[in-house]
Amino acid sequence: GESVGLHLPTLSVQEGDNSIINCAYSNSASDYFIWYKQESGKGPQFIIDIRSNMDKRQGQRVTVLLNKTVKHLSLQIAATQPGDSAVYFCADQGESGAGSYQLTFGKGTKLSVIP
Amino acid sequence: GAGVSQSPSNKVTEKGKDVELRCDPISGHTALYWYRQSLGQGLEFLIYFQGNSAPDKSGLPSDRFSAERTGGSVSTLTIQRTQQEDSAVYLCASSPGDDRVWRLAKNIQYFGAGTRLSVL
Repeated sequence: GESVGLHLPTLSVQEGDNSIINCAYSNSASDYFIWYKQESGKGPQFIIDIRSNMDKRQGQRVTVLLNKTVKHLSLQIAATQPGDSAVYFCADQGESGAGSYQLTFGKGTKLSVIP
Repeated sequence: GAGVSQSPSNKVTEKGKDVELRCDPISGHTALYWYRQSLGQGLEFLIYFQGNSAPDKSGLPSDRFSAERTGGSVSTLTIQRTQQEDSAVYLCASSPGDDRVWRLAKNIQYFGAGTRLSVL
């Protein structure tokens, strides 16, 4: 079945440094990927997405890189700030066994920013 | 509404009782999802509604779990005879649509804040 996993469950970075959060996916047919940020007590919030026909996409202080050869996804946060402290989830979209299209989420990486 | 709304935000119940969790999706969104999130874990897919199609119930963990969506808008997740292992945060999400014809479109899901269920 499909699975999306994360290499590092926790990550601590110094304020101002860059953060890199990694994610592996198993479904080579997945064509759409999303990164979500979940702050304590809140639901996940969309950060950035990327389609499988792209290798890189940039947003405000965030960049997502996709390596389809090794089925690897990463989220880069530039100049990490205390407000970036949260759990980050990657998710891929592919067809479920029931024939509909679902997002499959990884376990998440907890990012802690050290002031 | 402006965002996905879930109620109650917290629910404490006794083992064996039934509970109902409510989700109000973003107005106009045809797709609605329920997920379960245990402490420190990722999101476990439960059920998915798309328009008037039959729901995808493939993620429901047991027959004690059911959900309905009336009028293509509000959804209720019901857990019967709750067990302690049902304790978790139940998250609802909606998206503009997810149809095979439109699968090239982005299917960004927008989440509510969740209902924290505690079964004593």
